[in-house]
Amino acid sequence: QQPVQSPQAVILREGEDAVINCSSSKALYSVHWYRQKHGEAPVFLMILLKGGEQKGHEKISASFNEKKQQSSLYLTASQLSYSGTYFCGTGNSGYALNFGKGTSLLVTP
Amino acid sequence: DSGVTQTPKHLITATGQRVTLRCSPRSGDLSVYWYQQSLDQGLQFLIQYYNGEERAKGNILERFSAQQFPDLHSELNLSSLELGDSALYFCASRGGTGVTGELFFGEGSRLTVL
Repeated sequence: QQPVQSPQAVILREGEDAVINCSSSKALYSVHWYRQKHGEAPVFLMILLKGGEQKGHEKISASFNEKKQQSSLYLTASQLSYSGTYFCGTGNSGYALNFGKGTSLLVTP
Repeated sequence: DSGVTQTPKHLITATGQRVTLRCSPRSGDLSVYWYQQSLDQGLQFLIQYYNGEERAKGNILERFSAQQFPDLHSELNLSSLELGDSALYFCASRGGTGVTGELFFGEGSRLTVL
């Protein structure tokens, strides 16, 4: 039930773009994205719901393909502060929220 | 500050022992989630409670148990500890009655089993 994230790790230079993918083997009701900086707790970025509704921070964009059971997080014009580990969490029909193993992102000057 | 409080922050114990981790959710949040984070497994969902009732169970071992009390705080009990139980344990709370609100994570309790 744990979603699969790719890539496992990304290194970018400031200003470059990145895409992080998340896929599930089960039908999805919602996809959640969180970022965790080293030594800190995960922090909410965005929720995408079946049917197209999205809630999240203005500077973050993501897509949710219900048919393919996939979501992608788009990080554009990356900044040093984007560095961290990104987790996608998937909600199926119940209340559980299962997270993937994470994608480590490092933005260098 | 997420508003979610976890204690203790750090805990070192020996194999075979039992520990209790405590979580106080944000004021008014009825849902509490527990996660285990280890280096190679990411965030593993353990269990979720809503207003005192268990709502969802993940990869929680039989040696582990949890409960949510009437004042909404929650405790995660880990017994017969093994070296592999060493991890960071996060509690998160969520408001509302649905399943789509954001989670607010506590700072975590780091457990080291020697």
